[in-house]
Amino acid sequence: DTGVSQNPRHKITKRGQNVTFRCDPISEHNRLYWYRQTLGQGPEFLTYFQNEAQLEKSRLLSDRFSAERPKGSFSTLEIQRTEQGDSAMYLCASSQDFREQFFGPGTRLTVL
Amino acid sequence: GENVEQHPSTLSVQEGDSAVIKCTYSDSASNYFPWYKQELGKGPQLIIDIRSNVGEKKDQRIAVTLNKTAKHFSLHITETQPEDSAVYFCAADERDDKIIFGKGTRLHILP
Repeated sequence: DTGVSQNPRHKITKRGQNVTFRCDPISEHNRLYWYRQTLGQGPEFLTYFQNEAQLEKSRLLSDRFSAERPKGSFSTLEIQRTEQGDSAMYLCASSQDFREQFFGPGTRLTVL
Repeated sequence: GENVEQHPSTLSVQEGDSAVIKCTYSDSASNYFPWYKQELGKGPQLIIDIRSNVGEKKDQRIAVTLNKTAKHFSLHITETQPEDSAVYFCAADERDDKIIFGKGTRLHILP
């Protein structure tokens, strides 16, 4: 257990529905990252926060995706109008500045 | 942006033998090169990392080497054990902001 928790661990939804995932980082970490991982691939960067500020978003993050970290602690990732191509493992990681990133166990999303 | 290539995609070694995984990167400004191990159903876990001011780093059975001129780095696992079976990812930083991962190597330790 790295100290980073993610909920839910699994989510099955129908195409067109909205889903929201939560990440609780290690408490003293100021950076929080979201990644997406599909089968047989490495994690792909989606976005990251330094405290409550969202500093960068990947081109992978379409308009249907939004992430927040309102008080610089936990973060949520919302996907609106889900598509089958959104099926993946969504990973969260936290770090203190740009140092070792500690990953959570991930949320596996299946879009039917 | 940074691009990381990793080889091989699958590697099988006899228990007790050594395993070597190789990666190349494209951005000469990269300074930080972590290696992660991912077991089934879990998130990646950092096993070793190296920064560009050193050429080699060792931690028990695991070592990493870095050649900045050639822009490649390698992971060496000696005296492999069954619990080393997993997927291993190399990565490189991009502008001290984020890390870019390779596609992974599935390591099988054969009894």
